Amino acid sequence: LAKTTQPISMDSYEGQEVNITCSHNNIATNDYITWYQQFPSQGPRFIIQGYKTKVTNEVASLFIPADRKSSTLSLPRVSLSDTAVYYCLVGGSNYQLIWGAGTKLIIKP
Amino acid sequence: GAGVSQSPRYKVAKRGQDVALRCDPISGHVSLFWYQQALGQGPEFLTYFQNEAQLDKSGLPSDRFFAERPEGSVSTLKIQRTQQEDSAVYLCASSLVGSANTGELFFGEGSRLTVL
Repeated sequence: LAKTTQPISMDSYEGQEVNITCSHNNIATNDYITWYQQFPSQGPRFIIQGYKTKVTNEVASLFIPADRKSSTLSLPRVSLSDTAVYYCLVGGSNYQLIWGAGTKLIIKP
Repeated sequence: GAGVSQSPRYKVAKRGQDVALRCDPISGHVSLFWYQQALGQGPEFLTYFQNEAQLDKSGLPSDRFFAERPEGSVSTLKIQRTQQEDSAVYLCASSLVGSANTGELFFGEGSRLTVL
């Protein structure tokens, strides 16, 4: 089961682009990379999932290099409401996912 | 409802009491997962179901923990003889796809258990 390493915390300012990088050196061939967001007193919420190269949706982009040993979640033009914990997960199935402590992102005015 | 519903949202129990936590997944979702989340930590896997079958319960901390999903929809997590270390948020998640896939997990808001 692949484990991930991500920064414990990050700060940024409203309107900036935020990039959170996750390391997953032992990613397996059939593993996907998934990011979730969690606000206090709420359950995690799916943000984005990818396998390789770049994936973009209405809230974020996910960049995955060719070796897939890392990935970067990019949040464009963040606002105060993006303050949350962000989890990077790697696995070939939901039951294989190992949740670390995530990255606590604090957005300042 | 449109999302995963958990009840109660908050539960205070005296040490030694039994508690039952309920999860109503999104209708039609095949997989259902239970997680335990301690303050400042990520969710820790407890158990999961595919329809009514409990396929993995390796994360349950002790034999005081029991989960069921008898008709493949609503699930209940029961904790017997609660201890202070059981204090945590218990999260339920469901997924449209089978557990062998990586489909989006939809989480409930959790049940916060405090054992005094």
